[in-house]
Amino acid sequence: DAGVIQSPRHEVTEMGQEVTLRCKPISGHNSLFWYRQTMMRGLELLIYFNNNVPIDDSGMPEDRFSAKMPNASFSTLKIQPSEPRDSAVYFCASLYTGELFFGEGSRLTVL
Amino acid sequence: AQSVTQLDSQVPVFEEAPVELRCNYSSSVSVYLFWYVQYPNQGLQLLLKYLSGSTLVKGINGFEAEFNKSQTSFHLRKPSVHISDTAEYFCAVTFTGQNFVFGPGTRLSVLP
Repeated sequence: DAGVIQSPRHEVTEMGQEVTLRCKPISGHNSLFWYRQTMMRGLELLIYFNNNVPIDDSGMPEDRFSAKMPNASFSTLKIQPSEPRDSAVYFCASLYTGELFFGEGSRLTVL
Repeated sequence: AQSVTQLDSQVPVFEEAPVELRCNYSSSVSVYLFWYVQYPNQGLQLLLKYLSGSTLVKGINGFEAEFNKSQTSFHLRKPSVHISDTAEYFCAVTFTGQNFVFGPGTRLSVLP
């Protein structure tokens, strides 16, 4: 199994640009999570899906952030417009039998 | 609401020495407890978990943790560390099995 796959691994963009992060969960895992990791705030849950349906998006910082899961094998996290304070590592994880399986993360730098 | 405290942000230890990384949680209901490890430039991976049963839980790479309900703790231990154990370690709790709350992390540095 290839594990949770995230792309891009690194993204450098300028303030105001749209950013789209992508995630492919492990096949058969029905729950998908998006986390953000920064030095200051640690690991924060942004949103999670069960069977492609968003369950809790209370961690999404503001309307500039949106997430979708059109099918069981794909999810996106979009930031529009991006700001320097969005710079962080964004992790996608899928859940199976009580264990979270994390991708390697997408490191976002907004200049 | 649940919260997780990891009192030590950094723990330096010499190779082959024992180590304990502390984790305390706050919750008004029963929880499930986890330790995850993050190596540089990688995602988190599960070391061990406590769901029920024996309070002493053994995980991968020689790590173990003990659940202490009265002290609301779940400390991680290893009797002899290796250079390769250098990483960041996160304690996490959940009572729903889905909404995980992570601690701030402890950076373990194993010195030669």
